[in-house]
Amino acid sequence: QKEVEQDPGPLSVPEGAIVSLNCTYSNSAFQYFMWYRQYSRKGPELLMYTYSSGNKEDGRFTAQVDKSSKYISLFIRDSQPSDSATYLCAKKAAGNKLTFGGGTRVLVKP
Amino acid sequence: DSGVTQTPKHLITATGQRVTLRCSPRSGDLSVYWYQQSLDQGLQFLIQYYNGEERAKGNILERFSAQQFPDLHSELNLSSLELGDSALYFCASSVDNGSGNTIYFGEGSWLTVV
Repeated sequence: QKEVEQDPGPLSVPEGAIVSLNCTYSNSAFQYFMWYRQYSRKGPELLMYTYSSGNKEDGRFTAQVDKSSKYISLFIRDSQPSDSATYLCAKKAAGNKLTFGGGTRVLVKP
Repeated sequence: DSGVTQTPKHLITATGQRVTLRCSPRSGDLSVYWYQQSLDQGLQFLIQYYNGEERAKGNILERFSAQQFPDLHSELNLSSLELGDSALYFCASSVDNGSGNTIYFGEGSWLTVV
């Protein structure tokens, strides 16, 4: 079992819809989780980071961590075609080593 | 633009050859990380340097090595290249060695081994 797992998608939504992304992790010891957005053949772009409990909101993005089910979620409100990308969740170990999920490809159709 | 600069952007080389990838971290960042992204393995951590010293190692092959110089730029050396080494190689940087949460990635170096 991989430490961080994501559905590869693609997840297709109409413009303006809410995009809901999930990630599961297998080790409860981790404290921090990140969400990155990656456009094709570009570097991952940090969107948000969250602690092991609680929610965090930043503009159209909301990140949640559910420790009981070991779920990490990212919600994108009012989705735009420019949000079409691959979304990667990652957990942070000591020393800033990141373990990434495989990514979920999102398509927002105009 | 994350502020992390990587060169070259694209590189095509033959099996058995050696290449060097270069990374300049964001201004003020002391940590540099190298990651490899391939279709089958996803984005995987290779190695971390902090202020010139190796701090963490991941799934880095013995044919690969890295270093961080006094001016904090880093190089990843890949030798005896094999077809399976074809991948995107990313450099990332952060201010500190572990307590921070902002790790920024460069645009990557696309390596094709033929």
